[in-house]
Amino acid sequence: GAVVSQHPSWVICKSGTSVKIECRSLDFQATTMFWYRQFPKQSLMLMATSNEGSKATYEQGVEKDKFLINHASLTLSTLTVTSAHPEDSSFYICSAPRLAGAYNEQFFGPGTRLTVL
Amino acid sequence: GIQVEQSPPDLILQEGANSTLRCNFSDSVNNLQWFHQNPWGQLINLFYIPSGTKQNGRLSATTVATERYSLLYISSSQTTDSGVYFCAAMDSSYKLIFGSGTRLLVRP
Repeated sequence: GAVVSQHPSWVICKSGTSVKIECRSLDFQATTMFWYRQFPKQSLMLMATSNEGSKATYEQGVEKDKFLINHASLTLSTLTVTSAHPEDSSFYICSAPRLAGAYNEQFFGPGTRLTVL
Repeated sequence: GIQVEQSPPDLILQEGANSTLRCNFSDSVNNLQWFHQNPWGQLINLFYIPSGTKQNGRLSATTVATERYSLLYISSSQTTDSGVYFCAAMDSSYKLIFGSGTRLLVRP
């Protein structure tokens, strides 16, 4: 299957700092990537759609000024959690769709575990 | 938007047993995928199955798009099958909507 990487795997930071998470599609190009958030023992919740060359689109209830998304190239999207607080602690996962005609399968990165102290 | 429901929420099996996991979705979908989330959080792609039946080793899946459900079959379960199984449906804007998952524990 296709490979999507994320960096870092985990991060611990102090309240008030900003944290940047990178998502890369390693063996295919992705004009669109997706960012999810998962709390313990819960399902994945879509936060936003990252669009190469244009602004990200956010799901209802997700603060765009808190979660800054930049899709810098066809293989890289970044999520920056600004002024992080303990309630932002979560598991963040990105995905990228590999497209071929009507075929549209999404592949997920390994996730980033964020702990805000 | 599309609603995705999975059942059962929890499942405990003895090693060697078979099981069926169900996924219902509320509207027509462009795509349906099954994933296994391992203990480290990585989502492993199991099946891309908008319709029909596919098999991969001890796992198989069937999607009946007209009736809006998909089934994941696990045969001869092993302890390494433990984890959370998610189905996710793709809506018309190509977003994947996840079900709440089935937490599987296979005992030796």
